[in-house]
Amino acid sequence: DAGVIQSPRHEVTEMGQEVTLRCKPISGHNSLFWYRQTMMRGLELLIYFNNNVPIDDSGMPEDRFSAKMPNASFSTLKIQPSEPRDSAVYFCASSTTGGKNTEAFFGQGTRLTVV
Amino acid sequence: AQSVTQLGSHVSVSEGALVLLRCNYSSSVPPYLFWYVQYPNQGLQLLLKYTTGATLVKGINGFEAEFKKSETSFHLTKPSAHMSDAAEYFCAVIQAGTALIFGKGTTLSVSS
Repeated sequence: DAGVIQSPRHEVTEMGQEVTLRCKPISGHNSLFWYRQTMMRGLELLIYFNNNVPIDDSGMPEDRFSAKMPNASFSTLKIQPSEPRDSAVYFCASSTTGGKNTEAFFGQGTRLTVV
Repeated sequence: AQSVTQLGSHVSVSEGALVLLRCNYSSSVPPYLFWYVQYPNQGLQLLLKYTTGATLVKGINGFEAEFKKSETSFHLTKPSAHMSDAAEYFCAVIQAGTALIFGKGTTLSVSS
């Protein structure tokens, strides 16, 4: 398996524009997570899906952020409108749910810069 | 609520010296605990994990960690540091049916 695949790897956009980040989880994994990493706040959980259903979105910072998982092999994180303070590295991770094999596999991340 | 605290945002050691990165957790139920490593411009990679059973767990690259319930700790150690160990290390906790919650991370520097 190619692992968790995120695209794009880098995104530079102007303030106010819509940004869409994409993630393809590992085949067979039924949990998907979006994290945001910044120097100030570290790794923050934004949202967590299980079997394509959002379970916990309490980490989504504002209504400008939305995430979808239309099927088991694809998820998006959208920011509309984007702001400079959204600049960060966004990671997607996937795992099987529960038990001793619980382990999240991470993608390479998308580095977002909003100017 | 579950959480982890990593003591020391930056640790510096000499090559060949002992590496000790500290992690304390807070959890109302027995947790699963993890250490991840992140190299520059990369995603996170699992070093080791504790779920149940033996409290001393061994991971990749010579790292190990010991779960101590009485101290609510899960410190990461390596007997002899190598230059290639320089990276950022994250402790994380999870309870069944939830997501990984990470500590703030510890940057390990290794000097020759």
